[in-house]
Amino acid sequence: EAGVVQSPRYKIIEKKQPVAFWCNPISGHNTLYWYLQNLGQGPELLIRYENEEAVDDSQLPKDRFSAERLKGVDSTLKIQPAELGDSAVYLCASARGEYNEQFFGPGTRLTVL
Amino acid sequence: QQQVKQSPQSLIVQKGGISIINCAYENTAFDYFPWYQQFPGKGPALLIAIRPDVSEKKEGRFTISFNKSAKQFSLHIMDSQPGDSATYFCAASYNKLIFGAGTRLAVHP
Repeated sequence: EAGVVQSPRYKIIEKKQPVAFWCNPISGHNTLYWYLQNLGQGPELLIRYENEEAVDDSQLPKDRFSAERLKGVDSTLKIQPAELGDSAVYLCASARGEYNEQFFGPGTRLTVL
Repeated sequence: QQQVKQSPQSLIVQKGGISIINCAYENTAFDYFPWYQQFPGKGPALLIAIRPDVSEKKEGRFTISFNKSAKQFSLHIMDSQPGDSATYFCAASYNKLIFGAGTRLAVHP
C-alpha cells in the first residue's frame, strides 16, 4: 500500500510570493489533515477534511492560507503571500476515519527568504 | 488546557539501556494518547497508543504507562538500540491530536 504522497519535498521562495503544496492521501482514507511543524516542535493542526468538507479549520490563518480538497481525494494547501515566519515543514496526514490512526507523509520543507 | 508538556527535550542512552520519556496533560477530555516516532526527513509514524481505561500497554520493547489521576503518561523503551535514535512525540486527543514538543533520543553504541 502506497503511503501519503506530498510534493514538492522542498521549496524555497522569496517573501510575498505565493506557494502551494500538494497531498495525495492513502487510497480509501476519507479523512485528511494538514499540519504545520516548526523546527524543534510537534505538529500543529491547520485543517481537517472529512471527504471534501473542511470540518475543522479553526487553526488555519485564513488571511493568507487556503486549502481545498476537490472530489475528496487530493488536497492543496496554499499560502499567499508567504511571510518569513511561514518557514516550516508542512505535513499531510490521512486516516480511514476521524478516530483512526493517522498516517503522515514526509512533509514539504518551506524556506521563505 | 490544550497543552501537552513533554520532557526531557533530549536524551542520551547507552545501547541496551532504558529510555524514558514523560508527558503531562491538563484536559481531562482527552481520551486517546499515542506516541509517534519521527526520523529526520520523514513524517511522524505511530509507535504505540493507549486509552485511559488501562494503566499500561506493552508492544515489544515499547511500553506506555498511564496515570489517569496524575494526568501523566510515559514511554519506556527497553533494550534501547542505535536504530531507536529519533525524535519521539507524545500526543493527546479528544477530537484532534495535540502534540508535545518532542524528545530527541540518541542511543550510543
